[in-house]
Amino acid sequence: NAGVTQTPKFRVLKTGQSMTLLCAQDMNHEYMYWYRQDPGMGLRLIHYSVGEGTTAKGEVPDGYNVSRLKKQNFLLGLESAAPSQTSVYFCASSYGVGARGETQYFGPGTRLLVL
Amino acid sequence: DQQVKQNSPSLSVQEGRISILNCDYTNSMFDYFLWYKKYPAEGPTFLISISSIKDKNEDGRFTVFLNKSAKHLSLHIVPSQPGDSAVYFCAASGSYTGTASKLTFGTGTRLQVTL
Repeated sequence: NAGVTQTPKFRVLKTGQSMTLLCAQDMNHEYMYWYRQDPGMGLRLIHYSVGEGTTAKGEVPDGYNVSRLKKQNFLLGLESAAPSQTSVYFCASSYGVGARGETQYFGPGTRLLVL
Repeated sequence: DQQVKQNSPSLSVQEGRISILNCDYTNSMFDYFLWYKKYPAEGPTFLISISSIKDKNEDGRFTVFLNKSAKHLSLHIVPSQPGDSAVYFCAASGSYTGTASKLTFGTGTRLQVTL
């Protein structure tokens, strides 16, 4: 099992460019999440999904869009990148319900630099 | 409004001694708490959790204590080892949040275990 994987690992963008971050999980988890981590801020939830075809806003959704066309994949899009979106992005997944359903499993992260 | 707080950004402990990491929360609706460990350039990994119906949970060298009346939890590592050097995040969730098992993270405490 690869667990949660993220593509790419690192990317440099110019202001105004667009890109998509891909997250894949092979644990058959229903729930998937996108976070960003900034210095001194902990992890903040951007968007999440409770199942294939569903998405919802988290704490800091502005400037991002997401899609969950397949259960195992969760895509995070930046339509017009801004320097404020320079961050490390983590994807996570969980069963969502049942015993220990809250436990989330994280990918290795994508470091994004917007110039 | 920081609902989960880790007031100590860093902690240094000698190898073999006890490490105590603290976490406070303000939302009384939180009913499940987790600790994650994060090494540089990696994603957070789940360490240990506790439900609000318990006041202690133990897993090997790691013990989490929950004091609901004080809205405080702590992670004890005994004995501390150099490999424990990492950033530790406290996280909380509550069934009140609805269908998604959303976690609210603290800002993290960097633990350094010295020889």
